[in-house]
Amino acid sequence: AQTVTQSQPEMSVQEAETVTLSCTYDTSESDYYLFWYKQPPSRQMILVIRQEAYKQQNATENRFSVNFQKAAKSFSLKISDSQLGDAAMYFCAYRSATDKLIFGTGTRLQVFP
Amino acid sequence: DAGVIQSPRHEVTEMGQEVTLRCKPISGHNSLFWYRQTMMRGLELLIYFNNNVPIDDSGMPEDRFSAKMPNASFSTLKIQPSEPRDSAVYFCASSPDTGDGYTFGSGTRLTVV
Repeated sequence: AQTVTQSQPEMSVQEAETVTLSCTYDTSESDYYLFWYKQPPSRQMILVIRQEAYKQQNATENRFSVNFQKAAKSFSLKISDSQLGDAAMYFCAYRSATDKLIFGTGTRLQVFP
Repeated sequence: DAGVIQSPRHEVTEMGQEVTLRCKPISGHNSLFWYRQTMMRGLELLIYFNNNVPIDDSGMPEDRFSAKMPNASFSTLKIQPSEPRDSAVYFCASSPDTGDGYTFGSGTRLTVV
């Protein structure tokens, strides 16, 4: 069965600085998708970024980018120029081509002014 | 599009009562998912439907839980009878097809006293 591991329960960053959240996963499949979701205190789950496993190029969405290392089964999220509004829980998630979305346990990000 | 719509946003009920949570997916999305989020267990997939048909209900905790999707625009999750350990945030999410990220509703916070 697939698993997703986020080893950092909490992280903190100063405004305008850069922070990287870690995620590793375990799978025997070759075709799958990876995601990062953000959950602010409002509890809304917001899709931040998406990566297809067959693409070597790392996905980027404005200040958010990923470092996808398929062989190492690693999928980290980098947030550049951090803003106070980035403070939230961040969940890494895995979805196979034909299956359900499996979440990690989350990383709570604090942003200090 | 109004997104995934869940109701109610909050529900407080007494132990033993029946609880029904409702979800309207995004029009055109053919997959619908029910998740439960707790501090102890994180985000757990309870059940998912594809084209209104239940595909995997292995996450449903016990027979007290049931879910239906009578048509493409409506789904319910019912708990009968409810117990205090059912207290959690219940999310509904929908997806257009395999590989895309899910769009989540704003969740229902259920408190069973």
